[in-house]
Amino acid sequence: ELQVVETGGGLVQPGGSLRLSCAASGFTVSTNYMTWVRQTPGKGLEWVSALHGDGTTYHADLVRGRFTISRDNAKNTLYLQLNDLTIDDTALYYCARARGTWRHASYYFDSWGQGTLVTVSS
Amino acid sequence: EVVLTQSPGSLSLSPGERATLSCRASQSVSSGYLAWYQQKPGQAPRLLIYGTSTRASGIPDRFSGSGSVTAFTLTISRLEPEDSAVYYCQQYGSSPPNTFGQGTKLEIK
Repeated sequence: ELQVVETGGGLVQPGGSLRLSCAASGFTVSTNYMTWVRQTPGKGLEWVSALHGDGTTYHADLVRGRFTISRDNAKNTLYLQLNDLTIDDTALYYCARARGTWRHASYYFDSWGQGTLVTVSS
Repeated sequence: EVVLTQSPGSLSLSPGERATLSCRASQSVSSGYLAWYQQKPGQAPRLLIYGTSTRASGIPDRFSGSGSVTAFTLTISRLEPEDSAVYYCQQYGSSPPNTFGQGTKLEIK
């Protein structure tokens, strides 16, 4: 059965850092498009970052330069390093396997984890 | 920047009825790259439809998608109580990609 489980969320002060993990089972992270999508009551669902099988990474404008997506093939795990966090980054962060298209950094999301909550507050 | 507007914001229907949910894009969504998701309280979104009209694996044929360019529709026929959820559309055919609508809340009374 295909499954992803996110961990690593928590409370962090503005300007702080956090690393989220997404452990996958039932499929191989390194041969799939893997993404992070976040959700807030106010802004709804927002795509954050993507990592392709060939190692190419993409980030939404709102997080580019602050967030880094990576993976550990041996652990079949995806990561999201969040730096220089702001209050606006407070959200439930989902790890999702994606399906890509010929368009640049365009995906739909076919398998989601339950999410991990990141709260940025002083 | 493309904006997806979903309507109605909420609707309440009875079991057995048909629900029609709309998603309108402010710009053309190329290649019909429009997906629909279902999200129940406390759960992650679940992919229902991609490519405007292709059902995802395991999705019953009561769910159907249609539309093109800027106007898309999710139709749920023969409503069941477990269809109560928030439904989101998402486009991946315009710029910037991967944007979502604000959702339609469906209640089965």
